Amino acid sequence: GEDVEQSLFLSVREGDSSVINCTYTDSSSTYLYWYKQEPGAGLQLLTYIFSNMDMKQDQRLTVLLNKKDKHLSLRIADTQTGDSAIYFCAEFYGNNRLAFGKGNQVVVIP
Amino acid sequence: EAGVAQSPRYKIIEKRQSVAFWCNPISGHATLYWYQQILGQGPKLLIQFQNNGVVDDSQLPKDRFSAERLKGVDSTLKIQPAKLEDSAVYLCASSLGSFGNEQFFGPGTRLTVL
Repeated sequence: GEDVEQSLFLSVREGDSSVINCTYTDSSSTYLYWYKQEPGAGLQLLTYIFSNMDMKQDQRLTVLLNKKDKHLSLRIADTQTGDSAIYFCAEFYGNNRLAFGKGNQVVVIP
Repeated sequence: EAGVAQSPRYKIIEKRQSVAFWCNPISGHATLYWYQQILGQGPKLLIQFQNNGVVDDSQLPKDRFSAERLKGVDSTLKIQPAKLEDSAVYLCASSLGSFGNEQFFGPGTRLTVL
């Protein structure tokens, strides 16, 4: 099924780390993505992870994938005010469809 | 490289009226997507085109929504007649192909139905 769950709101102080979590239901998903949406803008792909990986690091971003629990997380190190946005995780399905979670709003406090 | 262009950015209409949105994908991108994003939710795919053919329109409410991509480039999405629950942001995205290729999103059209 296409049921991606995310928590809704996170506030974090500038310079701290942020962790956003996501659970998904389809164990056959080949790719899992994190997108960022700033106010009034479209979605921007931040990073992705193949389903055969446990972890991926990309500069300040670390993605962890727990396939057993169908749990995906995004850690942002040294969070900056420009990181304030809504973050969506998404599953890629074999029928070429992306299923998005409801999003998690991150507010960075200076 | 120019991004995905959409117009208009904002539209306010009354229920039962018609509305059309336009999308110009990134040059060379064969796959084009229309998503509906209701406030507080993630985007939901409405329709996917591969060149000018429909790949997936299973979540498109076909009694009132229609979309076309006649020459395999620009696309229009139409709602006729609009309902209150159609109030949302309509996002267009494009990708080089369909499997695993990054989708690039436009800024969206915010529709308000009164």
